Amino acid sequence: GEDVEQSLFLSVREGDSSVINCTYTDSSSTYLYWYKQEPGAGLQLLTYIFSNMDMKQDQRLTVLLNKKDKHLSLRIADTQTGDSAIYFCAESLGPSGTYKYIFGTGTRLKVLA
Amino acid sequence: NAGVTQTPKFRVLKTGQSMTLLCAQDMNHEYMYWYRQDPGMGLRLIHYSVGEGTTAKGEVPDGYNVSRLKKQNFLLGLESAAPSQTSVYFCASRMSSAGELFFGEGSRLTVL
Repeated sequence: GEDVEQSLFLSVREGDSSVINCTYTDSSSTYLYWYKQEPGAGLQLLTYIFSNMDMKQDQRLTVLLNKKDKHLSLRIADTQTGDSAIYFCAESLGPSGTYKYIFGTGTRLKVLA
Repeated sequence: NAGVTQTPKFRVLKTGQSMTLLCAQDMNHEYMYWYRQDPGMGLRLIHYSVGEGTTAKGEVPDGYNVSRLKKQNFLLGLESAAPSQTSVYFCASRMSSAGELFFGEGSRLTVL
């Protein structure tokens, strides 16, 4: 079945690194994504990783994928107050998953000045 | 560029009333999705479509119907609204089966 889980809250100090974790259950996922939602807005894509990769780095963002444990993480280096938002991980299922696009519960990141 | 547009943005309904949310995209995307967002529950997939004339059920389809008569539009209907349908609804679209989702700004629905 399809299920994506995240912890609900994370609080960090400005300048520290943030690590947001996600677990998923469907091994047929082709891509895994991280989206960001700012207050009162829709979601916007932050970064993504193909399921045959272990790591992807994009400026301050590092995505790690452990396919064996079905664990995905997003690390934000030098976290800023502007990074305060809700972060969602998501999996995109292929034909066997009938093209569903499933989101996690979201992690609310609060950055303390 | 309009992207994904949802109407209306806000609506208050009484229990038992019906309404339709409209999602329009101008990117020629094949795939369209309707989600609802509730505190602590993330985004839950209601219905989706993989092309004009097709629809499929998501995780929480009960109480909702959808139609995709034109490629650019995806309608979400509530035939008899219930307070449990109070939520923020998001429409999203993507070009291919492995692409980025583009979201509308959301529609806040309150059912009294």
